[in-house]
Amino acid sequence: EVQLVESGGGLVKPGGSLRLSCAASGFTFSTYSMNWVRQAPGKGLEWVSSISGDSSYIFYADSMKGRFTFSRDNAKNSLYLQMNSLRAEDTAVYYCARVYWGVHAMDVWGRGTTVTVSS
Amino acid sequence: EIVLTQSPGTLSLSPGERATLSCRASQSVSSSYLAWYQQKPGQAPRLLIYGASSRATGIPDRFSGSGSGTDFTLTISRLEPEDFAVYYCQQYGSSPTWTFGQGTTVEIK
Repeated sequence: EVQLVESGGGLVKPGGSLRLSCAASGFTFSTYSMNWVRQAPGKGLEWVSSISGDSSYIFYADSMKGRFTFSRDNAKNSLYLQMNSLRAEDTAVYYCARVYWGVHAMDVWGRGTTVTVSS
Repeated sequence: EIVLTQSPGTLSLSPGERATLSCRASQSVSSSYLAWYQQKPGQAPRLLIYGASSRATGIPDRFSGSGSGTDFTLTISRLEPEDFAVYYCQQYGSSPTWTFGQGTTVEIK
């Protein structure tokens, strides 16, 4: 079964850091680009970052540049999102998602992990 | 930056009725890179349509997508009880970036 499972969310103070993980299974992980997408409480979806299968390309939404770092370990079938200098507006459910070859839609999603930034 | 505007914000319909959801882009979008998702409360989004009109694996044929350029439509031919949810359109653009519309809620009338 194709599956993505996020972990690492929690409560953090403004200015703090958090590292999210996403474990993939059931598919050839290294051949897929992967995304992080977030959703603030009661709001819509927002793309966060994307990484190519071999990590040669990594892209970020403007509001995350310089604060978030996306990486992957293909030997462990895992993704990581290091989030620094967190702000209240980073409070959201963070989803990892697989990018469907060629059409850049996201065809497999995890259940998400919740990040709350509050003092 | 391309902005996607979905309308209406909320659609109130009864089971069995037809739902027509609109997604309008601020600039022309490649049809190959236009997708639709369904999200139910407490759940992750689910891919319904990619390439503007191709159904994802396991998606019933009552869901269909159409459109090109700046105007795209998701149609649900006959609403089933499980179709009441929030629907998002999404486009992939240069840079690269992924942009979502603000969502349309399909609620039971």
